[in-house]
Amino acid sequence: NAGVTQTPKFRVLKTGQSMTLLCAQDMNHEYMYWYRQDPGMGLRLIHYSVGEGTTAKGEVPDGYNVSRLKKQNFLLGLESAAPSQTSVYFCASSSGQALTDTQYFGPGTRLTVL
Amino acid sequence: AQRVTQPEKLLSVFKGAPVELKCNYSYSGSPELFWYVQYSRQRLQLLLRHISRESIKGFTADLNKGETSFHLKKPFAQEEDSAMYYCALSAPGFQKLVFGTGTRLLVSP
Repeated sequence: NAGVTQTPKFRVLKTGQSMTLLCAQDMNHEYMYWYRQDPGMGLRLIHYSVGEGTTAKGEVPDGYNVSRLKKQNFLLGLESAAPSQTSVYFCASSSGQALTDTQYFGPGTRLTVL
Repeated sequence: AQRVTQPEKLLSVFKGAPVELKCNYSYSGSPELFWYVQYSRQRLQLLLRHISRESIKGFTADLNKGETSFHLKKPFAQEEDSAMYYCALSAPGFQKLVFGTGTRLLVSP
């Protein structure tokens, strides 16, 4: 039982390049989330999904797209990377059954955009 | 809109000293409150939640609806408590958590 996994762990991009971050969970969770973590700004929600085939915008969605084609996977795409997207990206999942659900986090992806 | 405020970016204490990490929230209804912790080189994980009214690793948190606060407390800090702590709020009808900006706790020997 791996929990929440993220691929890749590290990545360096040049401005304008594109990439996809993969999040996978094996807990049969309905809800999945993408956050970015920046110094002094905490965790900010980028996009989230409340079930297979659904996505919704979070607090800072601009410059990102997401897809949830399979229940266990949640992909975050950067179409044209910018230096402002240099950050640590965390994926999380939860069962979605109650307000008191625990969110389970992945180990993070450190992205640098030059 | 919901908001979570953690006024301290860094809290530095000596081992054995009491610790209080402050968290204030703005929400007109009855939210659920959480504390998440991120130890060095580890993933973010749940520390405790209000509804459980539990003590985890010696930490407790009391929800004060009058002051809209959910401060995290521990009577005697340990070096292994050094970490980043996030307060978070969940509200009815909203399918996500709102996190504060985090407080880094540094416990020195």
